[in-house]
Amino acid sequence: DSGVTQTPKHLITATGQRVTLRCSPRSGDLSVYWYQQSLDQGLQFLIHYYNGEERAKGNILERFSAQQFPDLHSELNLSSLELGDSALYFCASSAQGRGYTGELFFGEGSRLTVL
Amino acid sequence: AQKITQTQPGMFVQEKEAVTLDCTYDTSDQSYGLFWYKQPSSGEMIFLIYQGSYDEQNATEGRYSLNFQKARKSANLVISASQLGDSAMYFCAMYTGGFKTIFGAGTRLFVKA
Repeated sequence: DSGVTQTPKHLITATGQRVTLRCSPRSGDLSVYWYQQSLDQGLQFLIHYYNGEERAKGNILERFSAQQFPDLHSELNLSSLELGDSALYFCASSAQGRGYTGELFFGEGSRLTVL
Repeated sequence: AQKITQTQPGMFVQEKEAVTLDCTYDTSDQSYGLFWYKQPSSGEMIFLIYQGSYDEQNATEGRYSLNFQKARKSANLVISASQLGDSAMYFCAMYTGGFKTIFGAGTRLFVKA
């Protein structure tokens, strides 16, 4: 158990709909990262938040948005869903600070299926 | 540009034998970290091993070792005495301090009994 909690674990929805994925980082971790893993692909970096502020952005679609709240949990919002958005979405957290190596602690992922 | 390349989409290994999974990286940064993660069929990402760019010794964690060749920019994962439970996807990753960790495309390992 990494200590990172993601909900829901599975989600099935239709094209054009909007969903929200939620992530609670490990206790004490200020950084939250979101990654997308399409079928049999590597992990594509979407976005990184640190203590409520956006720190880095990857190839995140304009239909996607994220935020990190004062209690440090994060939400990834996916709207106007398309079939190609079907993927496993990972949240990861880290104890970013002095001596940070880059190790990430992953949640179990949210598997989104768009029909 | 920073990049991780894993050129082996799939690998087969006989149980109890050793296997090497290849990873090359590209960065102009002097300080960086290299990681390997395992993703079994259940989907979770499991941290295996870490190598810092200034570490002189190759990292080892149990049956896992990282063959770090800085001049060649390679960070191959060696799994000794393969077990059936090692069958999984393996991802090489790199952190360079740019607030994100990037991943390679992965190598699927099949361990044969």
